[in-house]
This record gives sequence, C-alpha cells and structure tokens, in this order.
Amino acid sequence: NAGVTQTPKFRILKIGQSMTLQCTQDMNHNYMYWYRQDPGMGLKLIYYSVGAGITDKGEVPNGYNVSRSTTEDFPLRLELAAPSQTSVYFCASSSLGVLETQYFGPGTRLLVL
Amino acid sequence: QKEVEQDPGPLSVPEGAIVSLNCTYSNSAFQYFMWYRQYSRKGPELLMYTYSSGNKEDGRFTAQVDKSSKYISLFIRDSQPSDSATYLCAMRPAGINNDMRFGAGTRLTVKP
Repeated sequence: NAGVTQTPKFRILKIGQSMTLQCTQDMNHNYMYWYRQDPGMGLKLIYYSVGAGITDKGEVPNGYNVSRSTTEDFPLRLELAAPSQTSVYFCASSSLGVLETQYFGPGTRLLVL
Repeated sequence: QKEVEQDPGPLSVPEGAIVSLNCTYSNSAFQYFMWYRQYSRKGPELLMYTYSSGNKEDGRFTAQVDKSSKYISLFIRDSQPSDSATYLCAMRPAGINNDMRFGAGTRLTVKP
C-alpha cells in the first residue's frame, strides 16, 4: 500500500492565482482531512470528510474549498491565493471507529508571493 | 491561552540519554492522546496513542497521561540519533475523530 499520497510536493503561486492540491489514499478509509502546518503552530484542520459526498469545515476553512467524489480522493482547492496561505499542507485519513487515528501524507509546501 | 501547550525546544541530548517530552492541555473533554513523530520535510507518523489516564509502553517509548493535571509525557529510553525528529502531541475527545488538537511540536536532536 502507498498509504496517503499528495501532489505536488512544492509549488510557488502568485497572489490571486488558484490551484488544487491533490490527495489520494488506498487504505479504503472513510475519513479524510486537510491540515495546514505553520512554524511554531500546531496542525490546524481546514476541512474534513466522513465519506464520499460529505464534507465539513474545520478550524480554518476560509480561502479553501474541497470536494469528495470518491472514497480515495480528497482535493483541496485554493481559489485566490494570498500570502497568508503560505504553509505546508498535509492530507490525512482514518478509518471509521473511535480508536482509529490518522495517517498522514508527505505534505505539499506552498509559497504564495 | 492555547488549548494544547508544548515546549518547542529545541532539545539536544547525547546518544543513550533518557528524553522526556511533555504537553499540557486545558480541555477536560480530551480522552485520546497521541504522539506523532515528524522527520524533516515529512508527514507526521503515529508513534503511540493512549486512552484516558495511565501509562503505555512500546519498546523504548513510554507514554504517560495524567488527566488530573492535564499533562501528558513521552519518554524515550536509550535515545538514538535516528530518534532525531520533531515530536507532536495530539489529543481529541471521545467519539469525535475530526476534532483533533495538536501541539506545536518539540524538535529533538540526539547527538552520537
């Protein structure tokens, strides 16, 4: 199993541009998550999904959108990139059940200039 | 006040030392406590998790939870250079898998 994969690994965006961060998992997990990680801060939840067609906002959703059309994929969309969105983005997944914990992808480093 | 507080370090120890990493928290609803290890430019990976109070041991690693003090610890015995990484504590209430709160992480270096 590849686990959770993310593309791209690194991207530079200009202010106002848009992009989609891709995330795929092959563990048949129901739950998927998007986090951002900023220096000196804990991981912050952006959006999460409990299954195909179901998404909900996390702690810091402004400026982002998500969709979940399949169990495997959970892309994160940035519509109008801003310097405040410079961060490392992690996708994670977990199976359904209270004792399950999250498995993370390798991350996407995004720089908005 | 942050919901989860974790000393960012950096912490530098010689090989073979016992390492103690700690987090404090303010939300008494937290029931599940995790420690993740994150190598440079990699995603976090689950190291240990415990439910409620008590100790859990896995090889060189021991996780402790003291809910009365709202304090959790991770001990690493016989530390190795390969343990050099950032350690993140995380916690969540029971039954709510999307409501995880993370500490900022402690950067650990184990010198040969």
